[in-house]
Amino acid sequence: DAGITQSPRHKVTETGTPVTLRCHQTENHRYMYWYRQDPGHGLRLIHYSYGVKDTDKGEVSDGYSVSRSKTEDFLLTLESATSSQTSVYFCAISDPGTPPDYNEQFFGPGTRLTVL
Amino acid sequence: RKEVEQDPGPFNVPEGATVAFNCTYSNSASQSFFWYRQDCRKEPKLLMSVYSSGNEDGRFTAQLNRASQYISLLIRDSKLSDSATYLCVVHRLYNFNKFYFGSGTKLNVKP
Repeated sequence: DAGITQSPRHKVTETGTPVTLRCHQTENHRYMYWYRQDPGHGLRLIHYSYGVKDTDKGEVSDGYSVSRSKTEDFLLTLESATSSQTSVYFCAISDPGTPPDYNEQFFGPGTRLTVL
Repeated sequence: RKEVEQDPGPFNVPEGATVAFNCTYSNSASQSFFWYRQDCRKEPKLLMSVYSSGNEDGRFTAQLNRASQYISLLIRDSKLSDSATYLCVVHRLYNFNKFYFGSGTKLNVKP
């Protein structure tokens, strides 16, 4: 298994509080991603990073920010959590590899976040 | 239009059955294709990559039709342990190495 950890694994918080989720990798992969997964929606990309300090928005980025100060760490912050951000959050990593054998994504174990 | 579309199922099949899943993708610039498996409350894990020539891994066969923008997964001799959600994934390297996921097809294999 790829070396990806997420912390915390479970969190319950209250509306309006800031929350930071951490993703840590030991694979030295260039790309890192944050997804959320909700019933009926599948995996939706929140933000991604293509290098240290290089990040960009995904399809559902409102209310989220990210930072990547080191290759191995990618942080997701909910500035002021809302109940609509209750979800399972997955971090993923990838390194493109050499065509035509592109490499896949590897996922962390997920963080279950409940916002009351 | 969604990037990747799959039938959500569930597909309820008896042990030993053959079952097929399909998905379609909307962007012809997609470069590589995968099937992932996700067990309940777990992270997705790669099941197999999908190549234009088709590929097989034991009881699993994946096919890609670029002209129709269509990907399939065939599972033969289904086992109880195959019960899971199967995610169809397409990849575009030249769009910041992004991966696009279908919503998944749920498979229940019954004794």
